[in-house]
Amino acid sequence: DQQVKQNSPSLSVQEGRISILNCDYTNSMFDYFLWYKKYPAEGPTFLISISSIKDKNEDGRFTVFLNKSAKHLSLHIVPSQPGDSAVYFCAARPTSGTYKYIFGTGTRLKVLA
Amino acid sequence: KAGVTQTPRYLIKTRGQQVTLSCSPISGHRSVSWYQQTPGQGLQFLFEYFSETQRNKGNFPGRFSGRQFSNSRSEMNVSTLELGDSALYLCASSFGPPTPARLKLRAFFGQGTRLTVV
Repeated sequence: DQQVKQNSPSLSVQEGRISILNCDYTNSMFDYFLWYKKYPAEGPTFLISISSIKDKNEDGRFTVFLNKSAKHLSLHIVPSQPGDSAVYFCAARPTSGTYKYIFGTGTRLKVLA
Repeated sequence: KAGVTQTPRYLIKTRGQQVTLSCSPISGHRSVSWYQQTPGQGLQFLFEYFSETQRNKGNFPGRFSGRQFSNSRSEMNVSTLELGDSALYLCASSFGPPTPARLKLRAFFGQGTRLTVV
């Protein structure tokens, strides 16, 4: 039972354009959501997060949107750069006070120069 | 400040053997969690430790076990290895259980140990 789903295994975007990565979840008890970026042969690197009490969080070129009624999370990267090419994982935390994250299967983003 | 260190980076084992993987968290971090990454499955939670106590466990068979030492270093052990255990095993560390303070909600990952079972 995949509680966090990333339905697009891959995405290609032109440099300078917007990248939109999507994530759907099923458990309404998730209270915190995160995005991690992973390059080959490296561990995941934290990108941005959002609490369930918010609907938007921005950090530079990265913005995460949360639609609780639709149980949908999205990451916007504007403008996209070739260095953004990586696998992006969304993750959700089912209960407070734990690092037991539930991860999606990842979306491979390729930014074309 | 050194990051999360996992050893060894690569490992090849034979089916039926056992293996021990090590994780040294970032200095000052007392929480360590372990994940298994396989193609198509994303990252699956294995365990979470804080102050030498297991706080959470994922849905893995009893062949998977772990522990944390007083210096916060952690090890995970897999006994009676199966071909399906081939994966990237990732360790993540944090100051402690998440609090309302934003920075403490983040887990920092190591580079992982690539285990291949043949």
